[in-house]
Amino acid sequence: EAGVTQFPSHSVIEKGQTVTLRCDPISGHDNLYWYRRVMGKEIKFLLHFVKESKQDESGMPNNRFLAERTGGTYSTLKVQPAELEDSGVYFCASSQIQGLRADTQYFGPGTRLTVL
Amino acid sequence: GDSVTQMEGPVTLSEEAFLTINCTYTATGYPSLFWYVQYPGEGLQLLLKATKADDKGSNKGFEATYRKETTSFHLEKGSVQVSDSAVYFCALSATGGAQKLVFGQGTRLTINP
Repeated sequence: EAGVTQFPSHSVIEKGQTVTLRCDPISGHDNLYWYRRVMGKEIKFLLHFVKESKQDESGMPNNRFLAERTGGTYSTLKVQPAELEDSGVYFCASSQIQGLRADTQYFGPGTRLTVL
Repeated sequence: GDSVTQMEGPVTLSEEAFLTINCTYTATGYPSLFWYVQYPGEGLQLLLKATKADDKGSNKGFEATYRKETTSFHLEKGSVQVSDSAVYFCALSATGGAQKLVFGQGTRLTINP
């Protein structure tokens, strides 16, 4: 079974440009999460999809970030326009819905974003 | 809000040494607790988990026990190997279905031969 995949693995852009990150979850996983690790700090939650619906977007830093999951399969995270402080590693994770207990989240390898 | 505090690194040990990485948490209710590991050049992998008090998670020689009385989930291994060199993250998820993970800051572990 394929794991969570993310594309691209690295992206270097200039301040003010737009970047779109993609995440393909494990097939059949309804939950999809985006996280970010900035400058060696803790990994922070950005948002959570259940199928195509945004369940929790409390971690999105500002309106320059737009996440979509059309059709409830893959997801994209667009940053427009990018700022220097957006640099970091963006992780995607997916999990199944399993009753009242959180099921294991499986992570992708991450996209390293560098904004110059 | 919920939070996780992890032992600051980096940590450097010799092969076959005993390892402890401390992790404490603050949360309401009964969270699930996790240790994730990131090996060089790879993504995050679940190392072990515990979903209720006094549960012990174990994998690859690593162990951690969910201690509600001390709100802790310390990671231990009796004899580390060079291949254990990685960044280790403690995390929790709140009670109630699919919930976001709240992570500690990560501990970089280096094992010297």
